[in-house]
Amino acid sequence: DQQVKQNSPSLSVQEGRISILNCDYTNSMFDYFLWYKKYPAEGPTFLISISSIKDKNEDGRFTVFLNKSAKHLSLHIVPSQPGDSAVYFCAASVGSGGSNYKLTFGKGTLLTVNP
Amino acid sequence: KAGVTQTPRYLIKTRGQQVTLSCSPISGHRSVSWYQQTPGQGLQFLFEYFSETQRNKGNFPGRFSGRQFSNSRSEMNVSTLELGDSALYLCASSRGQAHYGYTFGSGTRLTVV
Repeated sequence: DQQVKQNSPSLSVQEGRISILNCDYTNSMFDYFLWYKKYPAEGPTFLISISSIKDKNEDGRFTVFLNKSAKHLSLHIVPSQPGDSAVYFCAASVGSGGSNYKLTFGKGTLLTVNP
Repeated sequence: KAGVTQTPRYLIKTRGQQVTLSCSPISGHRSVSWYQQTPGQGLQFLFEYFSETQRNKGNFPGRFSGRQFSNSRSEMNVSTLELGDSALYLCASSRGQAHYGYTFGSGTRLTVV
């Protein structure tokens, strides 16, 4: 049972435009959501996170939006740059108890930013 | 400061053998988590250790085991290797709770032939 889903395996955008990566989840107990970026031959790198008590968190060019009623979150990258080309993973955790000690990841979306 | 160090970076093993992977976390981080990444399944949680205690375990067979030492370094072991165990094994360290974000190592690429 896949609790975190990234339905788009890939996304291609032009440099300078907006990239929107989407993520859906099914477990209503999730209350923290994170995005990671991964380049080939490297480990994932933490990008940005959001708590379920917020609906938006911004960090420079990266903004994450959370719609709890729809169990949906998205990562916006504006403006997109060629160096943003990587695989982006959405992840979620439960804030308390044993489940707090792990992240549940989606399968990732490959973003390609064309010059 | 030094990042998360995983050794070896690449490994080729034969079916039926066993393998041990090593992870040194960031200094001061007491939590170490292990994930398996495969093309079809994404990142799958294996287990998490904090102060030498396993706090959480994923849905993997008993062939997969791990431990953590008093200096927070961790090892994972896979016995009786199968072809399907070929994957990138990622170690991540944190101060204690997953939602604060992990720092991942570069991983160990295991190929079982």
